[in-house]
Amino acid sequence: DIVMTQAPLSVSVTPGESASISCRSSKSLLHSNGITYVYWYLQKPGKSPQLLIYRMSNLASGVPDRFSGSGSETDFTLKISRVEAEDVGIYYCGQLLENPPTFGGGTKLELK
Amino acid sequence: EVQLVESGGGLVQPGASLKLSCVASGFTFSDYWMSWVRQTPGKTMEWIGDIKYDGSYTNYAPSLKNRFTISRDNAKSTLYLQMSNVRSEDTATYYCTSLRHTTAYWGQGTLVTVSS
Repeated sequence: DIVMTQAPLSVSVTPGESASISCRSSKSLLHSNGITYVYWYLQKPGKSPQLLIYRMSNLASGVPDRFSGSGSETDFTLKISRVEAEDVGIYYCGQLLENPPTFGGGTKLELK
Repeated sequence: EVQLVESGGGLVQPGASLKLSCVASGFTFSDYWMSWVRQTPGKTMEWIGDIKYDGSYTNYAPSLKNRFTISRDNAKSTLYLQMSNVRSEDTATYYCTSLRHTTAYWGQGTLVTVSS
């Protein structure tokens, strides 16, 4: 199985500042079709996960453009510009390149 | 409005069977591959498996393949997860989701607690 490793475990951010979360995969997530199959999800407190970023850098519908995704074949970053109170929760990366789909352990974002 | 509503969770004894349901609305259910994903009390996310839009093909996590079965009824816009011989480590919140799609919908989840 592809292992997804996230860092840090938690991050504390002052509202209005930016935050970055890292994710590393145990093998390349770049498909021969040129698509990198890494995804980012946010689980707000008491809610179900929601998709933020698909295929490494594409913003999901309805997601503010303060969120952005980038990376290489095995190293990925989610950046949140101008953090707001509604951004609090647990962020997960995941891969859909191979079965079984796998997820990182999560990064908890809190406000200072 | 898109909705995925899971049901069927609860407290079950080890070794028992349980069937979860997920009713979809607000989108064309029969066009979507659908998945089950569970989240443990420690917040670890685990993919269980998925089913092709017409129900003709399923994938499973190897560790769960022998005990869990996914099915669907497109006429009822409903996804199912049959769980058998449940164990304490199956305690989790179970989500149905259109995980593989760029419009990845998630239900609110149903909690399954396995305990004697």
